[in-house]
Amino acid sequence: DAGVIQSPRHEVTEMGQEVTLRCKPISGHNSLFWYRQTMMRGLELLIYFNNNVPIDDSGMPEDRFSAKMPNASFSTLKIQPSEPRDSAVYFCASSVWPSGDTEAFFGQGTRLTVV
Amino acid sequence: DAKTTQPNSMESNEEEPVHLPCNHSTISGTDYIHWYRQLPSQGPEYVIHGLTSNVNNRMASLAIAEDRKSSTLILHRATLRDAAVYYCILRDIGTGANNLFFGTGTRLTVIP
Repeated sequence: DAGVIQSPRHEVTEMGQEVTLRCKPISGHNSLFWYRQTMMRGLELLIYFNNNVPIDDSGMPEDRFSAKMPNASFSTLKIQPSEPRDSAVYFCASSVWPSGDTEAFFGQGTRLTVV
Repeated sequence: DAKTTQPNSMESNEEEPVHLPCNHSTISGTDYIHWYRQLPSQGPEYVIHGLTSNVNNRMASLAIAEDRKSSTLILHRATLRDAAVYYCILRDIGTGANNLFFGTGTRLTVIP
């Protein structure tokens, strides 16, 4: 398996534009996480899905952020409209659920810059 | 979620053992202790996990206190490639919860 695949790896956009980040989890994994990482706030859990269903989105910062998982092999994180303070590295991870005894695998991340 | 406490930073000389501590005094009986690390410019990667007994794998060893209120990640011979931020995390299997929260971790510096 190629691991968790995120695209794009880098995104530069202008303030106010819509941004869509994509994630393909590892085949067979039924849990997916979205994280945001900044120097100030560290690694924040934004939302996670179990069996394609959003379980906890309490980490989503604002209504401008939305995440979907239409099927087991694909998820998106959308920011509309984007703002400079959204600039960060966004990570996607997947694991098997129930998962206390299993590991999570992370993608390489998408570095988002909003100018 | 049960919280973990780690030192902000540690240093080690290359090729010497490193002991990274983690306190988790409010751990529940169904919490697994997980360790991840994040190398510069990369996503976090899994290192090791355990429940009650000490664990060994090709990357590291995990020593768990008898009362489970603390644990120690052991790198037997630190290399420059081990310089990273190390995170200690508790994952509960009992309730079926699946959140994976990262704290601030310990930044390990390896001195050549």
